[in-house]
Amino acid sequence: LAKTTQPISMDSYEGQEVNITCSHNNIATNDYITWYQQFPSQGPRFIIQGYKTKVTNEVASLFIPADRKSSTLSLPRVSLSDTAVYYCLVGASYSSASKIIFGSGTRLSIRP
Amino acid sequence: EPEVTQTPSHQVTQMGQEVILRCVPISNHLYFYWYRQILGQKVEFLVSFYNNEISEKSEIFDDQFSVERPDGSNFTLKIRSTKLEDSAMYFCASSGEVGDEQFFGPGTRLTVL
Repeated sequence: LAKTTQPISMDSYEGQEVNITCSHNNIATNDYITWYQQFPSQGPRFIIQGYKTKVTNEVASLFIPADRKSSTLSLPRVSLSDTAVYYCLVGASYSSASKIIFGSGTRLSIRP
Repeated sequence: EPEVTQTPSHQVTQMGQEVILRCVPISNHLYFYWYRQILGQKVEFLVSFYNNEISEKSEIFDDQFSVERPDGSNFTLKIRSTKLEDSAMYFCASSGEVGDEQFFGPGTRLTVL
């Protein structure tokens, strides 16, 4: 599995757009980029997954440059309820029979 | 929206006792997992299960641990003789066909005294 690097923590304010960048220099051709979210005392929750360019769903957008060595999770107009840990994962997805290896993630704190 | 459920939400036990953590995966899912998270630490993979057998297990999943799918709906994790260091949140997850994301349950907080 490709190693990922993301900030340990980030702070922002309600209503702001938050961008969390993840580096994955050794990403392989078959690898997808997946983001999970974990609220305090809850299980992780899938947010978004992509392979290249841009993916958008009702929760977030994922921007992936052409070289795929990094990706940016974008949360539009955050609220207090977006306070959570965000995990960037890189692997040959569409292999969900495989284990997920979680890193330390980015602890996002949203303030009023 | 279908969800993974886990019982109990909190289990307190004495060191050396056996515990069984229960999970009801999403009904049409085929792949099942257990993870654990010690307070303040990363989520760690324990075991994956498919077609009534273990697909993969981590170093943490030693002989004290076992998993079972006793019927068509439940998926259990048994710890035979609990240790203090087994205190953690235990998350069950399930996924459908290969290619789907994993859906996690709310977790069981295990406290070993």
